[in-house]
Amino acid sequence: GQNIDQPTEMTATEGAIVQINCTYQTSGFNGLFWYQQHAGEAPTFLSYNVLDGLEEKGRFSSFLSRSKGYSYLLLKELQMKDSASYLCAVRAPQAGTALIFGKGTTLSVSS
Amino acid sequence: DTGVSQDPRHKITKRGQNVTFRCDPISEHNRLYWYRQTLGQGPEFLTYFQNEAQLEKSRLLSDRFSAERPKGSFSTLEIQRTEQGDSAMYLCASTSGGTVYEQYFGPGTRLTVT
Repeated sequence: GQNIDQPTEMTATEGAIVQINCTYQTSGFNGLFWYQQHAGEAPTFLSYNVLDGLEEKGRFSSFLSRSKGYSYLLLKELQMKDSASYLCAVRAPQAGTALIFGKGTTLSVSS
Repeated sequence: DTGVSQDPRHKITKRGQNVTFRCDPISEHNRLYWYRQTLGQGPEFLTYFQNEAQLEKSRLLSDRFSAERPKGSFSTLEIQRTEQGDSAMYLCASTSGGTVYEQYFGPGTRLTVT
């Protein structure tokens, strides 16, 4: 079976750091993606991990541990515009090149 | 704007009617995906094209759903005899492949079946 788990909601304040966790159980693994989705809009690509370790891209970083089936997205220096849903997605061989998404984590940033 | 466009953006239809959605991917992208997203859920894969060939279909894609990509450019998704359970956001994504295969999503078509 395939299962991707993320917390449903998180809250944080401007300027803070927040970590959004994702655990996955898939039959095979071929990369993990994080997408950001503002309400009513399309998901936009944030990061990609296929090897263990941390990938940093500006205020956003993503970490992967394949042995633990675990990833996190780290957002630093939070801004109000970071309020959105964050989707963890896995590309697994049995799904070809399609992505298997978690339900998403809704992040609310307050001032 | 990711460069992927979808039309229409919103569609309200009565149960039992047929609807068709269009997706125009980024021009150089040869891979095109359709997903469905309901409120509070992540996108769920429906089907995938490489050029004009439909290579994968999810079991979510019942016989009432059909998709085409006739010239390997734009794609259409048709739903026949719509049901209330078909109400969702239908998202199209495209990618050129390469190492990462990041998918670029269109704005979606929101379908409401009354």
